[in-house]
Amino acid sequence: ELKVEQNPLFLSMQEGKNYTIYCNYSTTSDRLYWYRQDPGKSLESLFVLLSNGAVKQEGRLMASLDTKARLSTLHITAAVHDLSATYFCAVDRDRDDKIIFGKGTRLHILP
Amino acid sequence: EPEVTQTPSHQVTQMGQEVILRCVPISNHLYFYWYRQILGQKVEFLVSFYNNEISEKSEIFDDQFSVERPDGSNFTLKIRSTKLEDSAMYFCASSVYTGLAGGLVDTDTQYFGPGTRLTVL
Repeated sequence: ELKVEQNPLFLSMQEGKNYTIYCNYSTTSDRLYWYRQDPGKSLESLFVLLSNGAVKQEGRLMASLDTKARLSTLHITAAVHDLSATYFCAVDRDRDDKIIFGKGTRLHILP
Repeated sequence: EPEVTQTPSHQVTQMGQEVILRCVPISNHLYFYWYRQILGQKVEFLVSFYNNEISEKSEIFDDQFSVERPDGSNFTLKIRSTKLEDSAMYFCASSVYTGLAGGLVDTDTQYFGPGTRLTVL
């Protein structure tokens, strides 16, 4: 059974600091997604990672994928308050198209 | 910019009643999904749909659930006899990705609709 674990589940940090959210998954995967969700809102796609060593960056967020370690990271550089949200990773299992989400990381950035 | 739309935004129903949640995916997308999110909890995959048939479904998607693409634009989720535990936010999503029949597309992104909040009393 595919399991997706994120940590930490809750992160409170100061503006200007760097931090990393981790996403571990238990079986091989076609692709890994990162999403952002603001309170009471829908999900916004941030990144789709397909291959080992893939790295994508958008603004202060950078995502990477290590398929051998079954690990993806979402790195936040010089955090700003606007990045406060819940971040989900999700994994698309490679032998079918079931998509399993992690529990999410609630990020709270203090001004 | 094209977007996924969902109606209604909020549906209140009595336990045992049937509900139909509607979604209009982005017009050139080929792959459609339904997810649900119980308040404050993680997002759960329900079903994916490609080429007018279910591509994959989760354990949650039992006989009480069905999906349909009745015309070229709408994609619906029907719950035949709602239970209290069906109360959740239901999200529709669509993507260009062609599924197992096609190759992997680096730009494969799922676009989510705003959601329908279903409350079962």
